[in-house]
Amino acid sequence: AQSVTQLGSHVSVSEGALVLLRCNYSSSVPPYLFWYVQYPNQGLQLLLKYTSAATLVKGINGFEAEFKKSETSFHLTKPSAHMSDAAEYFCAVTPGNDYKLSFGAGTTVTVRA
Amino acid sequence: DAGVIQSPRHEVTEMGQEVTLRCKPISGHDYLFWYRQTMMRGLELLIYFNNNVPIDDSGMPEDRFSAKMPNASFSTLKIQPSEPRDSAVYFCASSPTGANYGYTFGSGTRLTVV
Repeated sequence: AQSVTQLGSHVSVSEGALVLLRCNYSSSVPPYLFWYVQYPNQGLQLLLKYTSAATLVKGINGFEAEFKKSETSFHLTKPSAHMSDAAEYFCAVTPGNDYKLSFGAGTTVTVRA
Repeated sequence: DAGVIQSPRHEVTEMGQEVTLRCKPISGHDYLFWYRQTMMRGLELLIYFNNNVPIDDSGMPEDRFSAKMPNASFSTLKIQPSEPRDSAVYFCASSPTGANYGYTFGSGTRLTVV
């Protein structure tokens, strides 16, 4: 079975600072990995995904993530935080042969002016 | 495309009443998923369909919950009778064939059972 662990339920950053959200996964087969963002009172929106092509993946809103098999990690970064990045972020995993996404517990990002 | 459409956005009902949540997936998407989100348990997969056929309902919490997909453009999640512990945000999501696509989520239905 696959699972995801997101380290840190809350992250607070200053506007313009680096955003780093950590995600570690476990999967018995090569996984597909995803990051989603959820703004208040909205559904989840796909930020980016890793599907066994390039290990450094770029997504929307300036976010990117790097798949590191040796570390079973898929951490999300953004070089410079903006106030509009305040939201909850979810890492998710599925084995490449399955459609069921398993989500992490989420990390809430607050951005200080 | 209008995306995944869920209705209603908010539902307040009394304990014991029947509740029906509705979802219209994106046209052409073969997979439809129902998730529940709570503070305590996070995002839980309840059930998913492929080509209108339920594939895995192992996440449905009790017999009080049922889901149907009578055609490719409509699905319902029904709770009968409802209980206060069913209060949550219920999301519908759809996906085309190919696990690498990820899901497109609807805006959710916030259910409050009093």
